[in-house]
Amino acid sequence: DSGVTQTPKHLITATGQRVTLRCSPRSGDLSVYWYQQSLDQGLQFLIQYYNGEERAKGNILERFSAQQFPDLHSELNLSSLELGDSALYFCASSGQGAVTEAFFGQGTRLTVV
Amino acid sequence: KNQVEQSPQSLIILEGKNCTLQCNYTVSPFSNLRWYKQDTGRGPVSLTIMTFSENTKSNGRYTATLDADTKQSSLHITASQLSDSASYICVVSLKNYGGSQGNLIFGKGTKLSVKP
Repeated sequence: DSGVTQTPKHLITATGQRVTLRCSPRSGDLSVYWYQQSLDQGLQFLIQYYNGEERAKGNILERFSAQQFPDLHSELNLSSLELGDSALYFCASSGQGAVTEAFFGQGTRLTVV
Repeated sequence: KNQVEQSPQSLIILEGKNCTLQCNYTVSPFSNLRWYKQDTGRGPVSLTIMTFSENTKSNGRYTATLDADTKQSSLHITASQLSDSASYICVVSLKNYGGSQGNLIFGKGTKLSVKP
């Protein structure tokens, strides 16, 4: 158990809909990262938050947005869903310092039908 | 463009044999390099982290090397076990001058299958 909790584990929704994925980082970790992993692909970085503020942005679509709340949990919002958005979405968290372990949650598997 | 490339894409070995996975990167500014193990459908789990000044690090049967001059790393697995079947991902962390860990750039991974 990495200590990072993602909910829900599975999500099936229709095209055009909006969903919210939730991530609770390890206790004390200030950084939260979101990644997308499509079938047989590597993890693609979406966005990083550090202590409530956006720190880095990757290839995140405009239809996607995220935020980190004062209690440090984070939510990834995906809207106007398309079939191609079907993927595993991982959240990771890490503590302070430049060389710290990043712990990953078990992911949310999103299926858009 | 920051990139991490791994080879081979896939590898099949017999139980008990050794293997070596390769990683080349063009990432700047470099902070550290990590190897992760990812079982199918699960989150990646860290095996090793190496900074610029480290050229080898071991974690049980896993030994990672780093040549910062040539921007190459390898992961050597000794006496493979069936449970080693997984994807092995090379990840390079960017330096973040804000004090926190920088962005992680992932390779596509090497899919290892260990057969009895």
